[in-house]
Amino acid sequence: ETGVTQSPTHLIKTRGQQVTLRCSSQSGHNTVSWYQQALGQGPQFIFQYYREEENGRGNFPPRFSGLQFPNYSSELNVNALELDDSALYLCASSAKGLSSYEQYFGPGTRLTVT
Amino acid sequence: KNEVEQSPQNLTAQEGEFITINCSYSVGISALHWLQQHPGGGIVSLFMLSSGKKKHGRLIATINIQEKHSSLHITASHPRDSAVYICAALEYGNKLVFGAGTILRVKS
Repeated sequence: ETGVTQSPTHLIKTRGQQVTLRCSSQSGHNTVSWYQQALGQGPQFIFQYYREEENGRGNFPPRFSGLQFPNYSSELNVNALELDDSALYLCASSAKGLSSYEQYFGPGTRLTVT
Repeated sequence: KNEVEQSPQNLTAQEGEFITINCSYSVGISALHWLQQHPGGGIVSLFMLSSGKKKHGRLIATINIQEKHSSLHITASHPRDSAVYICAALEYGNKLVFGAGTILRVKS
């Protein structure tokens, strides 16, 4: 059983550019959630995907968008990057529909916007 | 006011001490997570609980649903326990709402 993986590990982008972050969910999990963690703060919920559909969204602007694929892996896309988008981006997978709903986290992608 | 509040924000302990981190939440939840985050970012789920108490090694987590309060205890603390401990409330619908974290440093 493989755990949750994310790529890339680190990324440096310039303000105004676009970025795509990737997440492979744990085997058997059909739900992926994305979180943004600014330095020194707790993670903030961006959105969740369940069976390829967005299933809840936090307080993030539309330039944050996502996809989930038939194999339940997921992408987070951020357009028109701003300096404040610099953060650790975490994804977590879970098996919605099972009683536990325990979420398993990936190692994160650290994005720096200059 | 944040939906999930943790205390203390920072905690320094001597090796061997008993440690308690507290979490209060104001949202309706189906469960509560305790998470551990080391420098570099990776998050490990320590416990998910919806009632009572769970124990894993030197870690104990308790939750009181009526009082909307949970605690994480570490017995016989060790320097390798140094990390950020985060409580996160699992709202109905599978959304996690996180506390700001408690930075724990255990000195030898």
